[in-house]
Amino acid sequence: DTGVSQDPRHKITKRGQNVTFRCDPISEHNRLYWYRQTLGQGPEFLTYFQNEAQLEKSRLLSDRFSAERPKGSFSTLEIQRTEQGDSAMYLCASGPTVSPTGELFFGEGSRLTVL
Amino acid sequence: AQSVTQPDIHITVSEGASLELRCNYSYGATPYLFWYVQSPGQGLQLLLKYFSGDTLVQGIKGFEAEFKRSQSSFNLRKPSVHWSDAAEYFCAVVGYNNNDMRFGAGTRLTVKP
Repeated sequence: DTGVSQDPRHKITKRGQNVTFRCDPISEHNRLYWYRQTLGQGPEFLTYFQNEAQLEKSRLLSDRFSAERPKGSFSTLEIQRTEQGDSAMYLCASGPTVSPTGELFFGEGSRLTVL
Repeated sequence: AQSVTQPDIHITVSEGASLELRCNYSYGATPYLFWYVQSPGQGLQLLLKYFSGDTLVQGIKGFEAEFKRSQSSFNLRKPSVHWSDAAEYFCAVVGYNNNDMRFGAGTRLTVKP
C-alpha cells in the first residue's frame, strides 16, 4: 500500500504523559500536514511542512505540541503533558508540491484518548 | 482568512433518492474548493475539486458539485443515492497561495433502505 500511513492507530494515555504519533506520507509528496479532528467537527489545521521545513503553525498548536520532519520524509507529532482536551483524532495528510491547489491524501488517523 | 459553513449537520435520504449537501465559503478571492468523504474508521477521500473553469465539476462515485460565486456556494449533488454513500461529508477551501486547508464541520448522511 502506498498511501499515507499513521502509527499508532489508537493511543490511550493518562493525563500528564507524553505521546508521539508518526506519519509516513506518500513517498513522492513533499508537502505534509497535521490536522486534529474532534467528534462532530471537521479537521482543524495544526501545521504544515514543505520538505523538512515547518512553514506554518496554527495557534491551536500550543507549546506542548511539537512536530518534526527531520529528513523531509516521515513526520512526528509529539504532545507533552497531555490534557483531557487533547483527546481527538490526529490526521496526517500529504500532497504534491507543484501548487497548493493539489489535493491532499489523508491517512486513517491516530485516535488519542487521554484519561 | 477563509472559512467554510455546512448548514446541515445530519441528512437522511432514501436509497435511490437525489441528494444535495450544502456548502458556503467565505474568502476574499476565488478559492479552491473540495469535497471529501469520510466513512467510519477510514481516512478522508477526495470526491471532487474546483479550481477554475467550468463551474460544474464531476467527481468519483457519481457525485458532482457546482460552484456559484454569487452565492459563495459549492453544493454537492448526486442524482440517486446508494446505501454505500452513508458517510460523513466535508467541504474544504484553500486560498490561493495558502497552505491552510479549512474544513466545514461536516454533514452526516444516513441512507434509508
